Amino acid sequence: DAGVIQSPRHEVTEMGQEVTLRCKPISGHNSLFWYRQTMMRGLELLIYFNNNVPIDDSGMPEDRFSAKMPNASFSTLKIQPSEPRDSAVYFCASSLDSPEAFFGQGTRLTVV
Amino acid sequence: QKEVEQNSGPLSVPEGAIASLNCTYSDRVSQSFFWYRQYSGKSPELIMSIYSNGDKEDGRFTAQLNKASQYVSLLIRDSQPSDSATYLCAVNQGQGGKLIFGQGTELSVKP
Repeated sequence: DAGVIQSPRHEVTEMGQEVTLRCKPISGHNSLFWYRQTMMRGLELLIYFNNNVPIDDSGMPEDRFSAKMPNASFSTLKIQPSEPRDSAVYFCASSLDSPEAFFGQGTRLTVV
Repeated sequence: QKEVEQNSGPLSVPEGAIASLNCTYSDRVSQSFFWYRQYSGKSPELIMSIYSNGDKEDGRFTAQLNKASQYVSLLIRDSQPSDSATYLCAVNQGQGGKLIFGQGTELSVKP
């Protein structure tokens, strides 16, 4: 299995631009998680889906952030408009009927 | 109070020694607990899970759980320089798969 696949690996964008991060979970997994990691705040859960349905989005920082999971093999996290404080590493993780989540390689986002 | 607390370190141990990493959590109803290892610039990797009070051993790693004290620990025996990484404690919160992570403890194993 290829594991959780995220794209792009690195993204540099200007403040105010829209950013879309993509994730393909491990085949057969039914839960998908989006995390953000910064030095100051550590690893924070933004949102998680179960069977493609958003279950908990309490970690989404504000309305500029949105996430979708149109099918079991694809999810997006969108930031519009982006701000410098959104700079972080964004991880996608997936699991099967368990909190034992497996992480993708992450997307390093820099907003200048 | 943070939901999951760890000493940030760095914790430095000599090669071959036992490294002891500690974690406390605030939610008494938490039922499952995890240790992730994260090398610099890499993603977190699950190394241990524990669900019941007591010890769980896997190779050189032992996870210990004490629900009454709301305390989880990870022991690494015969520490190797390749164990140098940040170790993240995670606690499952609620009925679903939501994991709350601690800030992580940086471990450095000196040859």
